[in-house]
Amino acid sequence: AQSVTQPDIHITVSEGASLELRCNYSYGATPYLFWYVQSPGQGLQLLLKYFSGDTLVQGIKGFEAEFKRSQSSFNLRKPSVHWSDAAEYFCAVVPSGGYNKLIFGAGTRLAVHP
Amino acid sequence: NAGVTQTPKFQVLKTGQSMTLQCAQDMNHEYMSWYRQDPGMGLRLIHYSVGAGITDQGEVPNGYNVSRSTTEDFPLRLLSAAPSQTSVYFCASSYHWTSGGADTQYFGPGTRLTVL
Repeated sequence: AQSVTQPDIHITVSEGASLELRCNYSYGATPYLFWYVQSPGQGLQLLLKYFSGDTLVQGIKGFEAEFKRSQSSFNLRKPSVHWSDAAEYFCAVVPSGGYNKLIFGAGTRLAVHP
Repeated sequence: NAGVTQTPKFQVLKTGQSMTLQCAQDMNHEYMSWYRQDPGMGLRLIHYSVGAGITDQGEVPNGYNVSRSTTEDFPLRLLSAAPSQTSVYFCASSYHWTSGGADTQYFGPGTRLTVL
């Protein structure tokens, strides 16, 4: 079945440590790929997106993501996490020809220890 | 620009009551949508619209109605609220690519609904 999987429900890292959040999708054609962040009690903010081209995508707040077609993955990374990065992170896709209809993963909640 | 606005922020209903969640955007976006967010399930699409007068169902449309009379507004109506509709509701908007592409969706701050 077509789906978006975020294997990690919760992740805890120390401030200053590196971060990688995993996202895998199962669609025949490469979909449009997004990462959104949701701070507590807030709406969703786009971190970055991949439509085509360079497979390493830079986003806001120092985040980047790498698209790997062979692994059907779009993992989010940050070299040094700040306490303000504590939030919930959602990977989402729009299937090819999907007309903006976002399909979300279940989310990964990030906690940052000082 | 205010972006995407939603009212109310919080609402408590009794089973069987009806209400309308309001959503407005001032970015002249053709595409608007409603999602619900439940713990451990991410966000799921309820209804969407690609322009005034055009709406369609998403993944979880049962129990909800929508209409789109203007480009700016996209209200979501609960006809007879049920406890299963307790959730956080997000409205979003974006540019619409008629060729089937995708664009960045901008989300409102959400409405937290509790149905008793």
